[in-house]
Amino acid sequence: AQSVTQLDSHVSVSEGTPVLLRCNYSSSYSPSLFWYVQHPNKGLQLLLKYTSAATLVKGINGFEAEFKKSETSFHLTKPSAHMSDAAEYFCVVKPTGNQFYFGTGTSLTVIP
Amino acid sequence: GAGVSQSPSNKVTEKGKDVELRCDPISGHTALYWYRQSLGQGLEFLIYFQGNSAPDKSGLPSDRFSAERTGGSVSTLTIQRTQQEDSAVYLCASSLAVDGWASPRAQQVVGANVLTFGAGSRLTVL
Repeated sequence: AQSVTQLDSHVSVSEGTPVLLRCNYSSSYSPSLFWYVQHPNKGLQLLLKYTSAATLVKGINGFEAEFKKSETSFHLTKPSAHMSDAAEYFCVVKPTGNQFYFGTGTSLTVIP
Repeated sequence: GAGVSQSPSNKVTEKGKDVELRCDPISGHTALYWYRQSLGQGLEFLIYFQGNSAPDKSGLPSDRFSAERTGGSVSTLTIQRTQQEDSAVYLCASSLAVDGWASPRAQQVVGANVLTFGAGSRLTVL
């Protein structure tokens, strides 16, 4: 069975400090992994994806994520938070088929 | 088209009425997905199409919900006898489904095995 666990439903950071959004997954196969962002009243936008190439994936807006197979994790990080990063973030796992499994989301608040 | 287009963007209806939501995927995208997002909640999977067939309908909440896709392109999600709990944003996404055995080059094609979302249809049932 496939599942995605986003360990924090809410994360709050100060502007200019690092961001860490945690995601663990379970999958019987080597999956593809994604992070999507949803700004208030907007659609979902792809931040980055991992598809069995380099384990450290760089995405848009300075975000990156590292695939750690031994820990079954795919945490999202950014060195310095910006006010515009405030949004909902979804971790997504795609096993070898065509189905995508979404985490429950992490709401990121950036404090000025 | 250039992106995934959904209509209407907003729909207000009375309890008991039927509604139709439309999704026009990116041209050439073989897979199409419907999700539902209730206020402050995550994404709830509804149904997925590969071409015109729906291998996975497991997420449809009740027999009031149905969906079809014609010509491997446009999809319509129909909700009959709407209830207040149907109020949500209905999101459509499309993807160019590339098999795992395909060449690495094929899998790196833009849009391959990546969901591209529309802006959603906000449904309010009074």
